[in-house]
Amino acid sequence: LAKTTQPISMDSYEGQEVNITCSHNNIATNDYITWYQQFPSQGPRFIIQGYKTKVTNEVASLFIPADRKSSTLSLPRVSLSDTAVYYCLVPIYNQGGKLIFGQGTELSVKP
Amino acid sequence: DSGVTQTPKHLITATGQRVTLRCSPRSGDLSVYWYQQSLDQGLQFLIQYYNGEERAKGNILERFSAQQFPDLHSELNLSSLELGDSALYFCASSESSGGSTDTQYFGPGTRLTVL
Repeated sequence: LAKTTQPISMDSYEGQEVNITCSHNNIATNDYITWYQQFPSQGPRFIIQGYKTKVTNEVASLFIPADRKSSTLSLPRVSLSDTAVYYCLVPIYNQGGKLIFGQGTELSVKP
Repeated sequence: DSGVTQTPKHLITATGQRVTLRCSPRSGDLSVYWYQQSLDQGLQFLIQYYNGEERAKGNILERFSAQQFPDLHSELNLSSLELGDSALYFCASSESSGGSTDTQYFGPGTRLTVL
């Protein structure tokens, strides 16, 4: 049974790098880790996905250690517009292998 | 813009009534997912359809039902509405049947208010 644990909330200031770590101790061998971002009253938006080591795109980086029991989403130089809820997802197999959204991490970026 | 469309944007109705929410997936996507998000709550997975067939079921009430049509659009029917059904309802679509690499693209949501 894969389950994710991430901090409920985090505060940061504009221009800082923010790292949000998610633990997924029971991730299956072939599963990828996916992160989504959600602004208030909007649907979640895909940010990044990875399997191991490091993945980078124009928005964020994702670091996954060799044991894959955790992953860290890194947002470089955040701005006020990065204030949102960030979800880390892995499939939950007692729910048919679906990506079940947990509570997410509410990131608040201050000026 | 994710390419997923949902109608209507807002819906206000009374307890006991029935409503239908509509979703058109991204072009080429075969799966449609429905989620409910109440105020200050997380996203609750309701149901998934893949190419017209029910694929997975989450915490969907018996008063709720869904279907996916041959053109792949989907409808979520909510009946005998209660005050607690007031929420944002999101539809998402993905290319295939769902799995850890199958990215979901979310629509803008339908805000349902039950008075």
